[in-house]
Amino acid sequence: ETGVTQTPRHLVMGMTNKKSLKCEQHLGHNAMYWYKQSAKKPLELMFVYSLEERVENNSVPSRFSPECPNSSHLFLHLHTLQPEDSALYLCASSQSLPETETQYFGPGTRLLVL
Amino acid sequence: QKEVEQNSGPLSVPEGAIASLNCTYSDRGSQSFFWYRQYSGKSPELIMFIYSNGDKEDGRFTAQLNKASQYVSLLIRDSQPSDSATYLCAVNLPGGYNKLIFGAGTRLAVHP
Repeated sequence: ETGVTQTPRHLVMGMTNKKSLKCEQHLGHNAMYWYKQSAKKPLELMFVYSLEERVENNSVPSRFSPECPNSSHLFLHLHTLQPEDSALYLCASSQSLPETETQYFGPGTRLLVL
Repeated sequence: QKEVEQNSGPLSVPEGAIASLNCTYSDRGSQSFFWYRQYSGKSPELIMFIYSNGDKEDGRFTAQLNKASQYVSLLIRDSQPSDSATYLCAVNLPGGYNKLIFGAGTRLAVHP
């Protein structure tokens, strides 16, 4: 099993639903990330948590709400999503410093919004 | 707008050949450079990282960095069908914490 786990692996939700994605890292890292990967587009950084503090919110709509209760866990709460939000959501972790540290990815959650 | 550019491909090479994947980046302050491999339907996995100008070799893979030209490349020697995947170039953005910007990826197809 990878050092970064994500659940669920697949999720289908309606536009009025509320759901949460969970990420857990077992690598002793202190920074965690949410990325969105849509077809034919580069990975888009959504949020960065460093030492449990949000340090980056990359102009993400408020229907996506992150939560980082501790350095090992990261959540992405979803509500009133749109069909264009259908994508692969990837969690990653790393050491926060130095800035050059490698990021390690979880397996991702494939989200379909109907 | 900070960017990382890659040729989307597909790059098609015969088995046993050398595959050459290229990447350019816009931020001269970037200090670390990563190559990830992503199989269809899977998450990115790290292949190599490079920090200094020149070449870095790891098995069949060689990363090359030229900061003056803002250019990074990945060579795969003795390409195998199992190397067929999308290769993502990632570059760090200086700014006080670990932040990467990714290229859109180059799809590599190695045919027997």
